[in-house]
Amino acid sequence: GAVVSQHPSRVICKSGTSVKIECRSLDFQATTMFWYRQFPKKSLMLMATSNEGSKATYEQGVEKDKFLINHASLTLSTLTVTSAHPEDSSFYICSASFTSGRSDEQYFGPGTRLTVT
Amino acid sequence: LAKTTQPISMDSYEGQEVNITCSHNNIATNDYITWYQQFPSQGPRFIIQGYKTKVTNEVASLFIPADRKSSTLSLPRVSLSDTAVYYCLVGGNDYKLSFGAGTTVTVRA
Repeated sequence: GAVVSQHPSRVICKSGTSVKIECRSLDFQATTMFWYRQFPKKSLMLMATSNEGSKATYEQGVEKDKFLINHASLTLSTLTVTSAHPEDSSFYICSASFTSGRSDEQYFGPGTRLTVT
Repeated sequence: LAKTTQPISMDSYEGQEVNITCSHNNIATNDYITWYQQFPSQGPRFIIQGYKTKVTNEVASLFIPADRKSSTLSLPRVSLSDTAVYYCLVGGNDYKLSFGAGTTVTVRA
């Protein structure tokens, strides 16, 4: 149980284009989903918290107009990187917590490797 | 959020027990201690969570002393596939997971 999937697992795009990453909780409902980014050899950095049916809460320094987050249902959240640039290249990871569980017990997706050329 | 300190790296051999200690001197009363494992190019995997004393599951044990200012993750009889980064996190039920640098555990044959 507690499986979270991400799609795509890897994507390459050109500068200026937008990329959408999907995060799904496959076997449980997740009121809250989280988006992280991770640079090589570095730790995860929380970007935003996504609550079903409401606007995402972004961490300080994360541009909400650049990283659009939508949480349309209890099992799906999407992150859209708009007008991507090479510095946006990173490993993006989502996570979800059980609706009825502790939010610090999160289940992570496999990650999406974004490369912007 | 309570700050955590853990060793940057640890080396071990197959079949040995690996113990990773994490310091969290400023842990708050309602904070839990959670450990995650991450392999390269994969998302972290929840390993274990505890509040006090000892917690054991099928993959690890977590030892927490009475003052809760530290905790030790114990991995019994490690194998090569246990080579990964292990993160210790401390926090309450407020969703903000703050990942530190983690401990890179390397298991050798």
